[in-house]
Amino acid sequence: AQTVTQSQPEMSVQEAETVTLSCTYDTSESNYYLFWYKQPPSRQMILVIRQEAYKQQNATENRFSVNFQKAAKSFSLKISDSQLGDTAMYFCAFMNLQTGANNLFFGTGTRLTVIP
Amino acid sequence: DTAVSQTPKYLVTQMGNDKSIKCEQNLGHDTMYWYKQDSKKFLKIMFSYNNKELIINETVPNRFSPKSPDKAHLNLHINSLELGDSAVYFCASSQCPGPGVVCEQYFGPGTRLTVT
Repeated sequence: AQTVTQSQPEMSVQEAETVTLSCTYDTSESNYYLFWYKQPPSRQMILVIRQEAYKQQNATENRFSVNFQKAAKSFSLKISDSQLGDTAMYFCAFMNLQTGANNLFFGTGTRLTVIP
Repeated sequence: DTAVSQTPKYLVTQMGNDKSIKCEQNLGHDTMYWYKQDSKKFLKIMFSYNNKELIINETVPNRFSPKSPDKAHLNLHINSLELGDSAVYFCASSQCPGPGVVCEQYFGPGTRLTVT
């Protein structure tokens, strides 16, 4: 079974600063994807970034980047130049590609507040 | 145009009632999902449908039944509602080529169900 752990229930960062959100996971599978989703107060689930397990290069999307450490089963999200609109819940998620279902398994989330 | 839509956005009902939540996607995807987000914000897969076949059914009570009239719709029926069913329910869809290939999930806006 897959488990995803986010050890930081809440974090805050000053506007324009950088913040890193932690995520670890546990799996015996070799073929999988990892995702970070953002859930602002509007409740909408928004995909921020994804990482293929077979790729060593860390994914980046504008101000968002990940630090993927496969051996350590760690997948942290770095947000640079934080903006007020980044205030949201952030969920780390795991997708096992070995089965046909391709379900997402989520961590418990980190509530991020960007302070003006 | 909204890619994945859910109706209603809010639903308040009494214990023992039967209710339905509708989900529609206009992306032409072949797989649809239902997730439950509890009061602690934890998101968990309930089930998924692929080409009108149930392919995953997590240990949810049989009071919950997914119904797919066609590939673009996956409705959630809940019988004999209980207080513990209060949550936000998210529909999602994806186009999954098959095992071993990632399929990104697109989420609906969520339905907040309150059982009194």
